[in-house]
Amino acid sequence: EVQLVQSGAEVKKPGESLKISCKGSGYSFTSYWIGWVRQMPGKGLEWMGSIDPGDFDTRYRPSFQGQVTISADRSISTAYLQWSSLKASDTAIYYCARLRYSSGWFDYWGQGTLVTVSS
Amino acid sequence: QSVLTQPPSVSGAPGQRVTISCTGSSSNIGAGYDVHWYQQLPGTAPKLLIYANTNRPSGVPDRFSGSKSGTSASLAITGLQAEDEADYYCQSYDSSLSGGGVFGGGTKLTVL
Repeated sequence: EVQLVQSGAEVKKPGESLKISCKGSGYSFTSYWIGWVRQMPGKGLEWMGSIDPGDFDTRYRPSFQGQVTISADRSISTAYLQWSSLKASDTAIYYCARLRYSSGWFDYWGQGTLVTVSS
Repeated sequence: QSVLTQPPSVSGAPGQRVTISCTGSSSNIGAGYDVHWYQQLPGTAPKLLIYANTNRPSGVPDRFSGSKSGTSASLAITGLQAEDEADYYCQSYDSSLSGGGVFGGGTKLTVL
């Protein structure tokens, strides 16, 4: 059974750093891209970027380029999303999902990680 | 606002048929890129409903169907049930935008 299990909810202060994770199981982790999707409170889905764990090819939507870093560790089948300096506007639920090729569809989703940034 | 336009809300009574539109342009749907649909029940992660315009993943009831024509796509739900009340999102690829695909703004389906 394909599963993506994300790390737990986080409460951070502005300016702090954060790295959240997404562990894949039940499939060949290096054979599928992993994407990250943001959902701000009461809002829709936003495509942030994606990574190919096979060769670490990483792509970002322009509005997220330079704001976050997407990475992966093939040895533990885990993808990451990280911030170096959080802002209050980063408060959102972040989903990882398995992509059917770099610009395809998301066929399996993680449960989401709620990130709250507040002073 | 997204490059894929969806109505903010639609509604229907149990048993009825509803459709949700997703309007794009010549750089996304009109360029031939596939459209995919997701259902997000309250408080849960999105779930793939339709992929590559018309295909249902295993386990998705055949009450859900997708179509695509020109620069638009549609999701149809027949035999509406209370459990269908959710947010629905379309997704495609846009050649004018770098870094991946795009989602529509989402449509809230209310079952009356």
